[in-house]
Amino acid sequence: NAGVTQTPKFRILKIGQSMTLQCAQDMNHNYMYWYRQDPGMGLKLIYYSVGAGITDKGEVPNGYNVSRSTTEDFPLRLELAAPSQTSVYFCASGRADYVNEQFFGPGTRLTVL
Amino acid sequence: QKEVEQNSGPLSVPEGAIASLNCTYSDRVSQSFFWYRQYSGKSPELIMSIYSNGDKEDGRFTAQLNKASQYVSLLIRDSQPSDSATYLCAVNRPNSGYSTLTFGKGTMLLVSP
Repeated sequence: NAGVTQTPKFRILKIGQSMTLQCAQDMNHNYMYWYRQDPGMGLKLIYYSVGAGITDKGEVPNGYNVSRSTTEDFPLRLELAAPSQTSVYFCASGRADYVNEQFFGPGTRLTVL
Repeated sequence: QKEVEQNSGPLSVPEGAIASLNCTYSDRVSQSFFWYRQYSGKSPELIMSIYSNGDKEDGRFTAQLNKASQYVSLLIRDSQPSDSATYLCAVNRPNSGYSTLTFGKGTMLLVSP
């Protein structure tokens, strides 16, 4: 199993550009998550999904959109990139149980200039 | 505000010593607690989960949970330089039938040879 995969690994955007961060998992997990991590600030939840077609906002959703058409994929869309979105983005997945263990992808380092 | 608090460190210990990492949380309804290890430039890796009061041991790692005091700790015995990393405490947060994780900002551990 590849686990959770993310593409691209690195990206530089200009202010106002848009992009999609890709996330896929092959563990048949129902739950998937997007986090951002800024230096010294910990992980902040952007959006999450509990199954195909079901998504919900996390702590910092502004400036982002998500969709979940399959169990495996959970892309994160950035519209009109801003310097405040410079961060490292992690996707995670987990089983649909009360325990909520989450397993992380390798991350995407995004810089907006 | 539901929070997870950790001392940012760095916590410096000599090789072979016991490293003790601490975490407090504010949401009394939390049921599951996790420790993640994050090497610099890498993604978080789940190393311990604990759900019941008391101790849980896995190799050199022991997680301790005290729900009455809202306190979770991680002990690393016989610390090695390869244990040098940031350790993130995460707490399960029930949320309208689903649950998400709230992360602390992490404690940096430095193990000197």
